[in-house]
Amino acid sequence: QTVVTQEPSFSVSPGGTVTLTCGLSSGSVSTSYYPSWYQQTPGQAPRTLIYSTNTRSSGVPDRFSGSILGNKAALTITGAQADDESDYYCVLYMGSGSWVFGGGTKLTVL
Amino acid sequence: QVQLVESGGGVVQPGGSLRLSCAASGFTFSSYGMHWVRQAPGKGLEWVAFIRYDGSNKYYADSVKGRFTISRDNSKNTLYLQMNSLRAEDTAVYYCAKDQRVWGYCSGGSCYYFDYWGQGTLVTVSS
Repeated sequence: QTVVTQEPSFSVSPGGTVTLTCGLSSGSVSTSYYPSWYQQTPGQAPRTLIYSTNTRSSGVPDRFSGSILGNKAALTITGAQADDESDYYCVLYMGSGSWVFGGGTKLTVL
Repeated sequence: QVQLVESGGGVVQPGGSLRLSCAASGFTFSSYGMHWVRQAPGKGLEWVAFIRYDGSNKYYADSVKGRFTISRDNSKNTLYLQMNSLRAEDTAVYYCAKDQRVWGYCSGGSCYYFDYWGQGTLVTVSS
């Protein structure tokens, strides 16, 4: 059973930079997993931020960026703002028509 | 603009059945695969099922395989999720989400992600 790992929580100061990661319980994340990232605030549907590792979805501010860092996918927020306080989920395509979400990271901006 | 509107949620007893619907508009529904994703109360997102644009192939998470069936009616621009043998752990908000691939093809290296989401419908399995 493949587990996609994310930090349960993270904190960043307004204007600061934070990098959230998305790893595998066994193995390394590469672009072949087509990692994507979604933002969700309480009571709302998820919003697509980043797809295929590093492409920003339409309308997403350029302070959000995606990459591969070492053996993990990463979401970096540069110049964090108060309304970036949300839950962030990565999802990996595992092949054969199967996707797996990470457990999500609760980001606090304070 | 793209709209996805789920319906059909409610309270059902363990062992019971429920059918969810997702009405799509603002895009050519018959050209895109569709997903169901769920979120248990206070928990993270979980991918549930995917159906190709023409309904030719269906894929399921292990947690629902054999109990849930994804289907679509392209003449009605509607996606469905038939849920049988429901368990307490199936309690969740169920979202439908559009796959970004046209006719299953990736474009410019962009692939395998959900580009639009509905607002979700709550399913509660409880006696």
